[in-house]
Amino acid sequence: QVQLQESGPGLVKPSQTLSLTCTVSGGSISSGSYYWSWIRQPAGKGLEWIGRIYTSGSTNYNPSLKSRVTISVDTSKNQFSLKLSSVTAADTAVYYCARAPAAVAGDHPMDYWGQGTLVTVSS
Amino acid sequence: SYELTQPPSVSVSPGQTARITCSGDALPKQYAYWYQQKPGQAPVLVIYKDSERPSGIPERFSGSSSGTTVTLTISGVQAEDEADYYCQSADSSGTIEVFGGGTKLTVL
Repeated sequence: QVQLQESGPGLVKPSQTLSLTCTVSGGSISSGSYYWSWIRQPAGKGLEWIGRIYTSGSTNYNPSLKSRVTISVDTSKNQFSLKLSSVTAADTAVYYCARAPAAVAGDHPMDYWGQGTLVTVSS
Repeated sequence: SYELTQPPSVSVSPGQTARITCSGDALPKQYAYWYQQKPGQAPVLVIYKDSERPSGIPERFSGSSSGTTVTLTISGVQAEDEADYYCQSADSSGTIEVFGGGTKLTVL
């Protein structure tokens, strides 16, 4: 059973860089064909897709965040990470990591999710 | 930027059928997915590839697609189905994923 767990600072100062890690257990992050994604949800609001990294290392980002986002993978630790620079209060949200199978072209449901971690941007 | 449009809320009585729609220009060429989210919990996939149901999801959950609209149908709604429901799909290029704004299902 695949499990994902987010970790990182719960409080980040404005203008700094938010850094989160998602640890994958129950399977190798480098085996198979998967997208590893980040999604966020401000309190009381909807889900926003941030971006994803493919098993090969290629990335796709939400155009509205692309200039500030970097997603990377560390296969030796079975982890993938999110960095969001120049944060403001608007970036305060619960951040989720998720897995999506990519073996079938065009069919990428997010079938496993982490429990989410709250990140607050405040001085 | 690409958008998926859902009604903010749907209300039904127990045992009735709830239908939640999601509209988007690229839906005729991209699969849609539906997620259920209860308060304080991570989303759970309930429908994939427009109409397929993952193992463990009750049969009362079904999905359909017609043109630029996909629909999540919950037949015989139960109190435990009260939750927020989100559709998700990709833009026409297939490289950008988008979520709908979410629909709050209230079981009266």
